[in-house]
Amino acid sequence: QKEVEQNSGPLSVPEGAIASLNCTYSDRGSQSFFWYRQYSGKSPELIMFIYSNGDKEDGRFTAQLNKASQYVSLLIRDSQPSDSATYLCAVNPLGGSTLGRLYFGRGTQLTVWP
Amino acid sequence: ETGVTQTPRHLVMGMTNKKSLKCEQHLGHNAMYWYKQSAKKPLELMFVYSLEERVENNSVPSRFSPECPNSSHLFLHLHTLQPEDSALYLCASSQVTGSHEQYFGPGTRLTVT
Repeated sequence: QKEVEQNSGPLSVPEGAIASLNCTYSDRGSQSFFWYRQYSGKSPELIMFIYSNGDKEDGRFTAQLNKASQYVSLLIRDSQPSDSATYLCAVNPLGGSTLGRLYFGRGTQLTVWP
Repeated sequence: ETGVTQTPRHLVMGMTNKKSLKCEQHLGHNAMYWYKQSAKKPLELMFVYSLEERVENNSVPSRFSPECPNSSHLFLHLHTLQPEDSALYLCASSQVTGSHEQYFGPGTRLTVT
């Protein structure tokens, strides 16, 4: 069974702080990893994806992947109240297959207070 | 029109009604998905279409019937639903080769009375 685990939170950080969101996955063969942001009542929005071990930075967001530990994280620097949302981790366990099926975690609720 | 669109955005239906949800993607993708998201629950994958063929059906009750007439359009036909089927229904699309990012539509908020 392919599982994606996230701490459901809620995670609460002050404005300007670094928010750290974590995700572990069970399928060691997983190849691609995604972070989605979902505001209340809205659909998930893709914000980051990462395929290789190490860090990937995009603006205030950094995704970190450690395949040996089966661990992927999302760091949000200089957190803003507008970052308050649920963050979903998703994993493609097949990598290179012809089906882009993703397994989603339950999400971590982040609140950034002013 | 850009990205993935869904209609209607809101739907209220009785248990004896028949309705359909529509999804259209303008991204040139060749895989499409239906998800269900209930309050405080994770995303549940319902159906996967790859190259217009249904490749996955996750034990979804037969009162939900998908249809994919071409790679840009996806429907979810609903009949004799139950109140517990009330949820946000999300459509997504992706490429089946190369990158696997899925892009979601805005969803249809369904209420079954």
